[in-house]
Amino acid sequence: DTAVSQTPKYLVTQMGNDKSIKCEQNLGHDTMYWYKQDSKKFLKIMFSYNNKELIINETVPNRFSPKSPDKAHLNLHINSLELGDSAVYFCASSQDPADSSYNEQFFGPGTRLTVL
Amino acid sequence: RKEVEQDPGPFNVPEGATVAFNCTYSNSASQSFFWYRQDCRKEPKLLMSVYSSGNEDGRFTAQLNRASQYISLLIRDSKLSDSATYLCVVPGGDNYGQNFVFGPGTRLSVLP
Repeated sequence: DTAVSQTPKYLVTQMGNDKSIKCEQNLGHDTMYWYKQDSKKFLKIMFSYNNKELIINETVPNRFSPKSPDKAHLNLHINSLELGDSAVYFCASSQDPADSSYNEQFFGPGTRLTVL
Repeated sequence: RKEVEQDPGPFNVPEGATVAFNCTYSNSASQSFFWYRQDCRKEPKLLMSVYSSGNEDGRFTAQLNRASQYISLLIRDSKLSDSATYLCVVPGGDNYGQNFVFGPGTRLSVLP
């Protein structure tokens, strides 16, 4: 069983388009995250949701909008895609990030976004 | 100082060698630390957690030096399968416990 799944795995699109990436976790975790890993391999947090509520919103353009319909899903919608948005986007989840016994993050396989 | 710094490498070592990586962090309030492993074109996976002075798991030992604000990862008897990028992770920012800051990673290649 896949613990954290993302779709699609690859996404190639033109500048200016709007696209969505879906993420689902079946671990029963309360907290979910979106990370961006750019071509230099830096992994940076974008958003964190706890029980469907936004906890962290790092300096991310407002073209990126996360949506959490329930605590098992955290989708990422991107408007007006730009060349610089090309990266690998990872979804992750953890049970309780503030509890040292339960804050391991489990990552999805990533979505490789290429904007042409 | 950047929030989390690592030597990017690459570290090229022969099988059986012992190799160590360091990671320095700026948030002195951080209590727990992690080493994640990321294989090429794959997602990061937890390797070890470090809460007190250190942690050992088989060939892997992680140590924490709070005074100097660094953690280290020691790999003994390196295997070919240890080739990967090792990411140091530190809770950081104002959302302590919620915001995890990943280091840039240290790339290890174990050679036959």
